[in-house]
Amino acid sequence: DIQMTQSPSSLSASVGDRVTITCRASQSTGRYLNWYQQKPGTAPKFLIYAVSNLQSGVPSRFSGSGSGTVFTLTITSLQPEDFATYYCQQSHSTPRTFGQGTKVEIK
Amino acid sequence: QVQLQQWGAGLLKPSETLSLTCAVYGGSFSRYFWTWIRQTPGKGLEWIGDINDAGSTNYNPSLKSRVSISVDTAKNQFSLKLTSVSAADTAVFYCARGSYDYGDYETFDYWGQGTPVTVSS
Repeated sequence: DIQMTQSPSSLSASVGDRVTITCRASQSTGRYLNWYQQKPGTAPKFLIYAVSNLQSGVPSRFSGSGSGTVFTLTITSLQPEDFATYYCQQSHSTPRTFGQGTKVEIK
Repeated sequence: QVQLQQWGAGLLKPSETLSLTCAVYGGSFSRYFWTWIRQTPGKGLEWIGDINDAGSTNYNPSLKSRVSISVDTAKNQFSLKLTSVSAADTAVFYCARGSYDYGDYETFDYWGQGTPVTVSS
């Protein structure tokens, strides 16, 4: 299985801050890397596919980058609705696997 | 608009069989991989397996001996059975649509609302 490791596990930030979350894969996933956002009590929401492509309707303050085994999700100018937990997920091989999540909290 | 609505028993005793069903409303039922994912505080999000409209399945090897996913294309529904449950299977279970609408890159673009399942004697 491909292990996905996110860092940090949690972070505190203020509205307007720039936030970067890192996801590392135990082996190369090429561009088969997606990001999801989850708010308490709800299902994950699909944000980004193929490393850097925003799902329709996702604000442009979200961006993704990386390749191979190291990927980042960046939120520029954090908004109140962005406080949530973010997960990376690889679709390079089965079983599909997720990172453990990064919780973005209000400072 | 695509919606996934899931249901099933939320409280089980050890050794019982978990059974959940997910109905798909809107959009095509073919072309997609209908997926089950579970979430626990300890292990996070875990992909259980998927099925396509032809009934072809893929399972997580960690659960393969206990999992069965089936599909009813007449009703646009798919189901999960997990046998011999234990406390370690306590989780929120989600159904989701695995989509290749974004090129070669499968994504889980629509999710059910989640079903909390507790295994306790």
